[in-house]
Amino acid sequence: EVQLVESGGGLVQPGGSLRLSCAASGFTFTNYWMHWVRQAPGKGLAWVSRVNGIGSRTSYIESVQGRFTISRDNAKNMLYLQLNSLRADDTAVYFCARDGADGNYPDYWGQGTLVAVSS
Amino acid sequence: DIQMTQSPSALSASVGDRVTITCRASQSINSWLAWYQQKPGKAPKLLIYTASNLHSGVPSRFSGSGSGTVFTLTISTLQPDDSATYYCQHYKSYPLTFGGGTKVEIK
Repeated sequence: EVQLVESGGGLVQPGGSLRLSCAASGFTFTNYWMHWVRQAPGKGLAWVSRVNGIGSRTSYIESVQGRFTISRDNAKNMLYLQLNSLRADDTAVYFCARDGADGNYPDYWGQGTLVAVSS
Repeated sequence: DIQMTQSPSALSASVGDRVTITCRASQSINSWLAWYQQKPGKAPKLLIYTASNLHSGVPSRFSGSGSGTVFTLTISTLQPDDSATYYCQHYKSYPLTFGGGTKVEIK
């Protein structure tokens, strides 16, 4: 059974940093691209970033480029998202998700971790 | 970026009704479209990929159709458990984008 469990969210002041983690199990982690998708309170879904199976290729939505960094540790089956220079509009539940085998659509999602940016 | 527009934004229907949700892309996305179901406080669940392929374990009352710029998600016989918000998502190019969601309520 595919399982994704996020952690690391919390309350942070504007300009602060957080590192989100996602523990993966139930599949061969290194074989899959992984995504982060976020959802602001009461709003829809927004794709944030993705990384390939070996961690050598990444992409980001423009609004987080240069502030967020996605990475992975395949030895530990862990996905990460480093969030720097946080802004109020980064407040959201952050989901990690596995890429579908056919490509580019998340097929399994974690339960999410809440990041709240406020002074 | 490709914009995805869903309609309606909300609907109310009775158990046993046939429900159709429409998703329109701002440019052709071929069949690179997925549909998700999300219940309050929960993670989204994949229902349909490549416009019409049912994800493993998804009930057969869910179906998807369309190509190019117009797509539909149909629930053939609405069940109480189908009360949720439904999202479409294109994957023709990056950034991936989602529709605004359709909230389905059971009367």
